[in-house]
Amino acid sequence: ETGVTQSPTHLIKTRGQQVTLRCSSQSGHNTVSWYQQALGQGPQFIFQYYREEENGRGNFPPRFSGLQFPNYSSELNVNALELDDSALYLCASSLGISEQFFGPGTRLTVL
Amino acid sequence: AQKVTQAQTEISVVEKEDVTLDCVYETRDTTYYLFWYKQPPSGELVFLIRRNSFDEQNEISGRYSWNFQKSTSSFNFTITASQVVDSAVYFCALNPYGGATNKLIFGTGTLLAVQP
Repeated sequence: ETGVTQSPTHLIKTRGQQVTLRCSSQSGHNTVSWYQQALGQGPQFIFQYYREEENGRGNFPPRFSGLQFPNYSSELNVNALELDDSALYLCASSLGISEQFFGPGTRLTVL
Repeated sequence: AQKVTQAQTEISVVEKEDVTLDCVYETRDTTYYLFWYKQPPSGELVFLIRRNSFDEQNEISGRYSWNFQKSTSSFNFTITASQVVDSAVYFCALNPYGGATNKLIFGTGTLLAVQP
């Protein structure tokens, strides 16, 4: 059984650029959630996708958007990057509403 | 308001000591779930336990135990006979709204350092 994987591991961007982060869910899981974790803080919920539809969103602006594909993998897109977007981005997968299993994260640095 | 408070920012113990990590939560929902996750330096969050609001039984898993008390809105985590490998940041999290979504509200975490 393959766990949750994320790519890339690290990424450096400059202000104003756009970025796409990718997540492959654990085998058999149909729900993907994305979290942002700033240094020294707990993760903050961005949004959740269930069967390719957004199903719940946290307090993040519209420039944070996502997709879920038929194989339940997912992308997180962030437009017009700001310095405060520098963080660890975590993806978690689950089977519906249940325990979430997290990937290793993508460390994004915005200069 | 939905909130999780982990008042202990950092705890340092010597190997084999017992340690308790505190978690206090706030929610108006009657149905909710509570979680503990471990985050080692690698960054990946490791699931430890999920408990629903209707199950107040304490749980023990090896050296880990959890004490859930609705009367004080607390869900504390105890590690018995700590080991160096237990060193990590531990997060308590709340899934409110009756579990209608997977949205987890995390505390700020407690950094546990176990010295040999």
